[in-house]
Amino acid sequence: GAGVSQSPSNKVTEKGKDVELRCDPISGHTALYWYRQSLGQGLEFLIYFQGNSAPDKSGLPSDRFSAERTGGSVSTLTIQRTQQEDSAVYLCASSPQRASTYEQYFGPGTRLTVT
Amino acid sequence: QQPVQSPQAVILREGEDAVINCSSSKALYSVHWYRQKHGEAPVFLMILLKGGEQKGHEKISASFNEKKQQSSLYLTASQLSYSGTYFCGTETTDSWGKLQFGAGTQVVVTP
Repeated sequence: GAGVSQSPSNKVTEKGKDVELRCDPISGHTALYWYRQSLGQGLEFLIYFQGNSAPDKSGLPSDRFSAERTGGSVSTLTIQRTQQEDSAVYLCASSPQRASTYEQYFGPGTRLTVT
Repeated sequence: QQPVQSPQAVILREGEDAVINCSSSKALYSVHWYRQKHGEAPVFLMILLKGGEQKGHEKISASFNEKKQQSSLYLTASQLSYSGTYFCGTETTDSWGKLQFGAGTQVVVTP
């Protein structure tokens, strides 16, 4: 079946512009996660959606970052007034339910470059 | 909150064994292990739960010491395909459903 998809695969933007990154999770998966991975670094948790519950936004690095999940499916991560330190690969993952007993299925990521 | 992984990197010859450790400062509910090859998305290896339940691939073995808040991943009789960066993700008892990942352990298996 179809896995997690993300678009665009690559995004180059100028400093100060806004960007939107999209994630299509596996159908039926109620949990959705966003992570950021800087070059050669680990996975930095950003935000977590579980069903209809309020999202856990504790990992968002600043108020320039926001995310929404519409209809319990597609999610969009928005970065406003991008800065060079926002350059990274943004990974989305989905899971049948919350992480405890279910593996996360990762998408291919969006590589964001801020010039 | 981020777990600490050790070693940072390890180089093995095919057939050799290695252990990767993951340590948390907080009480854990579960530990997850993923492997990421260069330029690819992380791939699931194993989940270890508080209480002893495990889910994962048969060829991978790991342990979870709840008292010490530590987990270890065992690479036995390593193969070239084991090369990659291994990440542990920890779910603490005060933050269910959310994983904090370590910085990763880079594993290189040579012929």
